[in-house]
Amino acid sequence: EIVLTQSPGTLSLSPGERATLSCRASQSVTGNYLAWFQQKPGQAPRLLIYGASSRATGIPDRFSGSGSGTDFTLTISRLEPEDFAVYYCQQYGNAPRTFGQGTRVEIK
Amino acid sequence: EVQLVESGGGLVQPGGSLRLSCAASGFTFSSHWMHWVRQAPGKGLVYVSGINVDGSDTRYADSVKGRFTISRDNAKNTLYLQMNSLRPEDTAVYYCVRVNLAYWYFDLWGRGTLVTVSS
Repeated sequence: EIVLTQSPGTLSLSPGERATLSCRASQSVTGNYLAWFQQKPGQAPRLLIYGASSRATGIPDRFSGSGSGTDFTLTISRLEPEDFAVYYCQQYGNAPRTFGQGTRVEIK
Repeated sequence: EVQLVESGGGLVQPGGSLRLSCAASGFTFSSHWMHWVRQAPGKGLVYVSGINVDGSDTRYADSVKGRFTISRDNAKNTLYLQMNSLRPEDTAVYYCVRVNLAYWYFDLWGRGTLVTVSS
């Protein structure tokens, strides 16, 4: 099973700042099949990025994904108030599909 | 409207059983792989189980293998998760999730149903 390790655990930033979230896999992710989700309290996760770098429908362009192999990054170029949430990476190229433990982006 | 609606959660004693359902609407349910993902209170997302379009191929996390059974009824547009021998650590919100046809990522989530295992 592929283990995904996200860092940092918590990111304290101010609105307007840039956020950089990391997701490292224990082995290469097949096809770079890596997704990023955003989750707010009491809500289901929302897909942001798939295929490591493709934005899902309706996702603002301040969200971008990059990386390949074992190292992936989610960047939020300028944080908006609604972006403060928990973010998860997930690989879906190998069974079983696995999630990272999450990164909380909180208001500084 | 394209949606997934879970039901069947509740309070159950350790060792007990529960069957979750997920009603799909607004899309061709029988064309999609479907999965269950859970989230313990205050914790992260954890993959539970998946099933292919006709039910002939199923996947399970090691933590639930032998205790949980995933199934589907394409005529009723419904996904199921039969959970037996429940443990306190199975306490979580259980989400039903659809797989995108073209690119295989999770593209539609239900709102979840809470399962609490406690005496």
